[in-house]
Amino acid sequence: DGGITQSPKYLFRKEGQNVTLSCEQNLNHDAMYWYRQDPGQGLRLIYYSQIVNDFQKGDIAEGYSVSREKKESFPLTVTSAQKNPTAFYLCASSILSFGTGSGLGNSGANVLTFGAGSRLTVL
Amino acid sequence: AQKVTQAQTEISVVEKEDVTLDCVYETRDTTYYLFWYKQPPSGELVFLIRRNSFDEQNEISGRYSWNFQKSTSSFNFTITASQVVDSAVYFCALSEALAGGGADGLTFGKGTHLIIQP
Repeated sequence: DGGITQSPKYLFRKEGQNVTLSCEQNLNHDAMYWYRQDPGQGLRLIYYSQIVNDFQKGDIAEGYSVSREKKESFPLTVTSAQKNPTAFYLCASSILSFGTGSGLGNSGANVLTFGAGSRLTVL
Repeated sequence: AQKVTQAQTEISVVEKEDVTLDCVYETRDTTYYLFWYKQPPSGELVFLIRRNSFDEQNEISGRYSWNFQKSTSSFNFTITASQVVDSAVYFCALSEALAGGGADGLTFGKGTHLIIQP
């Protein structure tokens, strides 16, 4: 079955350590996203990528880094510069539309498919 | 800038009651898309519905219905005859059509935690 696989599901890290969260999709989606979820805060966009070898910062990119070497993979590294890394991290993917107008084949209409998430706790 | 507000942090009802989750959005664009997602305790977000800004028809899917009103910038979600399995966090989200195409993700509200008591 097609879907998004995130690993590990739970991760513990000591302060000062970098940690990388894996995200793999077999949906043949072009676009991939990383969101952070904190209790009562909803989901906030960290980074997103529309094509291989290209990515853009989202609303809260500081202290995070990503790479997109393959279409299927979009790993997220939480660096030691991230001051409050304890959170639930969700990866998503979508098709990419470049049309205009109000139809569902147009940019902005893309439905995101989410992975099951990775919960990071800093000790 | 776009913004989504879900003022209800938590709602608790008894099974079989009807419940409405509110969503108010802000956007400068005339073309935009609204979504609802469900997040069960397992954590994975599940897509429920997508509407575009030019289609204000209400939609019904089984026990779920959605009321889109551009005049009040609202996109409310009603569950009729709620069931325990409906217990989850529900997110409303907004996406604007990008002039150059492509995709830059969704803007989410903070979510409403719905508790259905047996």
